[in-house]
Amino acid sequence: LAKTTQPISMDSYEGQEVNITCSHNNIATNDYITWYQQFPSQGPRFIIQGYKTKVTNEVASLFIPADRKSSTLSLPRVSLSDTAVYYCLVGDNVAAGNKLTFGGGTRVLVKP
Amino acid sequence: EPEVTQTPSHQVTQMGQEVILRCVPISNHLYFYWYRQILGQKVEFLVSFYNNEISEKSEIFDDQFSVERPDGSNFTLKIRSTKLEDSAMYFCASSELISTGSNTGELFFGEGSRLTVL
Repeated sequence: LAKTTQPISMDSYEGQEVNITCSHNNIATNDYITWYQQFPSQGPRFIIQGYKTKVTNEVASLFIPADRKSSTLSLPRVSLSDTAVYYCLVGDNVAAGNKLTFGGGTRVLVKP
Repeated sequence: EPEVTQTPSHQVTQMGQEVILRCVPISNHLYFYWYRQILGQKVEFLVSFYNNEISEKSEIFDDQFSVERPDGSNFTLKIRSTKLEDSAMYFCASSELISTGSNTGELFFGEGSRLTVL
């Protein structure tokens, strides 16, 4: 499983865009990049997954450059309720049997 | 939206007692998992379960731990003799059968069961 590095914490204000960059220099050909969100005292929740280029859903966008050695999760116009820990995970879903290896994540604090 | 449900939400027990945490995964899912999170620490993988057997387990999942799918809907985690360091939030998760290509392999987590060992 590729090791990931992401900032420990980020502060933002309501209505701003938040971009969290994750480094994964040792990503393998079969690896996908997945982001989960965790609110206090709750289980992690899937946000988005991608392999290359850009993926967008109703919650976020994921930007992956051509070399795939990093990725950026973009949260548009955050609100107070987006305060959470965001985890970047990299792995081969099939080989890992969907087992997730969580790092420390990025603690995002959205201020009024 | 279907969800994973866990009971109890909070359990307090004495050291050395047995604890069973229960989970009802999403009905059409075939992979089941237990994770735990000690307060202020990372979410840690404990065990994955597929086709009525353990498919993978971590070093944390020693002989004190066991999992079972006693019927078609429940998935349980048993801790045989609890220790102080077992105090944590325990999360159950489930996912669909993995298929290559289009399946994101998304895990659906429950709200967790907080275990406090005194």
